[in-house]
Amino acid sequence: ELKVEQNPLFLSMQEGKNYTIYCNYSTTSDRLYWYRQDPGKSLESLFVLLSNGAVKQEGRLMASLDTKARLSTLHITAAVHDLSATYFCAVVYGGATNKLIFGTGTLLAVQP
Amino acid sequence: DGGITQSPKYLFRKEGQNVTLSCEQNLNHDAMYWYRQDPGQGLRLIYYSQIVNDFQKGDIAEGYSVSREKKESFPLTVTSAQKNPTAFYLCASSSKSDKINEQFFGPGTRLTVL
Repeated sequence: ELKVEQNPLFLSMQEGKNYTIYCNYSTTSDRLYWYRQDPGKSLESLFVLLSNGAVKQEGRLMASLDTKARLSTLHITAAVHDLSATYFCAVVYGGATNKLIFGTGTLLAVQP
Repeated sequence: DGGITQSPKYLFRKEGQNVTLSCEQNLNHDAMYWYRQDPGQGLRLIYYSQIVNDFQKGDIAEGYSVSREKKESFPLTVTSAQKNPTAFYLCASSSKSDKINEQFFGPGTRLTVL
């Protein structure tokens, strides 16, 4: 059974601190996505990671992918309150059908 | 503006009723998807369609039905057979013409069973 596990499930951070969210998945995949969701809202795409060793950065967020370890990380640098949201990773499975399986999400709360 | 629209934003249903959630996209995407999200959880795939007049069951299709008569539209019916339909429903679409195949999401419909 394909599983995608994120940890931690909940993360309370102080502004200015750094932290990393981890996403482990149980089968091979050629694509991994990171999404952000604000309360009551839809999903906003953050990063698409296509290959082993891929690294993408946008502002205070940086995502990386290690396909051999089946691990992706989302690193937060010098957190600010505006980053408070739930972050999901999602892994493609099913080949050309492009189906996604999502992790359970990490709720990030950045405290002033 | 190109995008995905879902309606209604909020929907209340009495037990035993069927309800239909609308999803429309003007991105010219071939593939469309329906997901369900329960509080504090990730999304789970209900149905997906790669092409007009064709669709497949996802991981939790029981109690749901779909149609894909037009490329732009992929409505989801929540039937009375769905035992616990209260959830947030998200529709997505993607293009099959590029390698990234990123899925773009609509704003969602929040369904509550009274």
